[in-house]
Formats: sequence, structure tokens, C-alpha cells
Amino acid sequence: QSALTQPASVSGSPGQSITISCTGTSSDVGGYNSVSWYQQHPGKAPKLMIYDVSNRPSGVSNRFSGSKSGNTASLTISGLQAEDEADYYCSSYTSSLPYVFGTGTKVTVL
Amino acid sequence: QITLKESGPTLVKPTQTLTLTCTFSGFSLSTSRVGVGWIRQPPGKALEWLALIYWDDDKRYSPSLKSRLTITKDTSKNQVVLTMTNLDPVDTATYYCAHRLPGRYSFDYWGQGTLVTVSS
Repeated sequence: QSALTQPASVSGSPGQSITISCTGTSSDVGGYNSVSWYQQHPGKAPKLMIYDVSNRPSGVSNRFSGSKSGNTASLTISGLQAEDEADYYCSSYTSSLPYVFGTGTKVTVL
Repeated sequence: QITLKESGPTLVKPTQTLTLTCTFSGFSLSTSRVGVGWIRQPPGKALEWLALIYWDDDKRYSPSLKSRLTITKDTSKNQVVLTMTNLDPVDTATYYCAHRLPGRYSFDYWGQGTLVTVSS
């Protein structure tokens, strides 16, 4: 099972919207509605931002939204803020194992 | 309030066995649909899922590491233990334990992580 593919970096100015993609296959992202997104600040543990493609846990800002089309899932951050600068990882359930993570995306706020 | 904390050695020699303990509070591993997983992250690299244990003692392992991993639970102590054999320098990483969102394939609470260095 290979890692899900994410862009290495995405950047945007404060107030803008950015989208991070997460590409898999029909055996993972495309086959199940079990995509999650995690935010990780340097030296910190990951934080769950989105689960089941588009659901936000309690306490997560509604500036974060998730979607999926075919084998690609996406995380959109609207109204970009300095505190959003972090690494972001997607993960998905797969036909062969319960979890596979993405390659990670570094978000830079310009 | 759910909390998890990893503990174990910070330095391990190549070929040795690593034993990590996750001590948690705020939930019980005897409750239906509850699970605890282990995830690692080499310095500067991506997250990698290692293993998961469910409330009913069902266990899942990463296929690439399955032969080297064992996950167990002690419900009375609120602990989950991960054992990894035959350590190699490439196993140097921060190891996290995390609470599985019940009924979902997501981890909603994470420990702070523990850095394990494999070196002679």
C-alpha cells in the first residue's frame, strides 16, 4: 500500500483560500468515505481537522472544509490566517489496511 | 477529557527490541468501538501508521512491519504496549499513540509523542 500523494507545498496570502489535494486510488480514497485530514505544527502532535471526507470535529474552525471527487480528496482553508501555517496530512481507510497517510503538505502563509 | 502519553527508551541499539507504553485516561478500552493506534514519524518525514488494537482485542498491523510488531492492551491499567523487534537506524522516529474516533477511521486524540533514536 503506497502513501497517498499530496503536493509538497502550498502557499497563500492572509485572507485567501487554498486547497490541498490528496490523490489515491479506488482501493482507498475513491472507494471509501473515510478520508481524514490532520494539521501538525512544528514539534507538536497532529490534530484532527476533518473526518469522513467532510466532517469537522467539535472545536475546529469552519474555515476548514473537506471534499472528495473520484480518487482525489481535498482540504480547503478559507480566510487563511498566520496560525494555519503548518504541515497537513490526509489519511484514508483502504481495502487492505485501516490507515494509510499522505505524503504531507507544508502550508505557508505569505 | 481524553489524554494519552507515550513512554519508553529514547535510545536503542540496532538489533534490539523496542517496547513503548501508551498510558491513557478519559476512556476505557473495554468499551465497544474504542481503539488505540500507534503512528510514527521519522525526523522531517511523513506520518506512518503502525498498528491498532480494538476494544475486543482485534489487532491490525502495517503489512510492511507486521513481522516485527506486537500490540497488546492492559485494560485494568489503561495501557497499550507496542513492541518492535530488530531495530534499525531507519526506525528512528517520533512514536505517537492515538485514540481512534469510535466507529471511524480517524484519530481524534494524540499523545505528545516520544522520540526514539536507534544508534550504536
